[in-house]
Amino acid sequence: GAVVSQHPSRVICKSGTSVKIECRSLDFQATTMFWYRQFPKQSLMLMATSNEGSKATYEQGVEKDKFLINHASLTLSTLTVTSAHPEDSSFYICSAPKDRAESGNTIYFGEGSWLTVV
Amino acid sequence: RKEVEQDPGPFNVPEGATVAFNCTYSNSASQSFFWYRQDCRKEPKLLMSVYSSGNEDGRFTAQLNRASQYISLLIRDSKLSDSATYLCVVTLTTDSWGKLQFGAGTQVVVTP
Repeated sequence: GAVVSQHPSRVICKSGTSVKIECRSLDFQATTMFWYRQFPKQSLMLMATSNEGSKATYEQGVEKDKFLINHASLTLSTLTVTSAHPEDSSFYICSAPKDRAESGNTIYFGEGSWLTVV
Repeated sequence: RKEVEQDPGPFNVPEGATVAFNCTYSNSASQSFFWYRQDCRKEPKLLMSVYSSGNEDGRFTAQLNRASQYISLLIRDSKLSDSATYLCVVTLTTDSWGKLQFGAGTQVVVTP
């Protein structure tokens, strides 16, 4: 079963509105989660590192005021796309590293969220 | 220059054949290497880690060449279900564990 759950899987919103995407670690605590974005036929690009209890760390070129990240608990990180525009339409996906005693850190991905801004 | 570069393909492979493709990375400080598989409109899934000595997992063989900074993946006896995009993934340092750098992917299409 899923280890990291992401919701919603698909969302359509109007231009100018905000959309929240949730990423949950289901059976482990994740002090760090990562948010990626993937445009068609392109690689997944890291947007930001979500840190529980502190501010997110954004990659160069990613607007922190537009992509709000909140990591309020050890199992939940949220990404809010504010004032969405059609060019924000993309596949957004989160990941979380889980420490596995038998094999060290393993990185689990959420199912991803398809955002379409109309 | 992209950090991780891959031939986008597509590689059209007859069922049962062997296909191999490479990935190059630019940062010599890269520490960990992986191949992920991504099906259309889905999340990436770990196929295998890549170790310095090379490693095999069933029909899949991965090689790492640190001197030339490339990673390879070979698929033997291709199955129709192997059709997917294969993502080369690199991490820089152990203290940024989980922070992955992805290639754009190599598309493999296995045909009957």
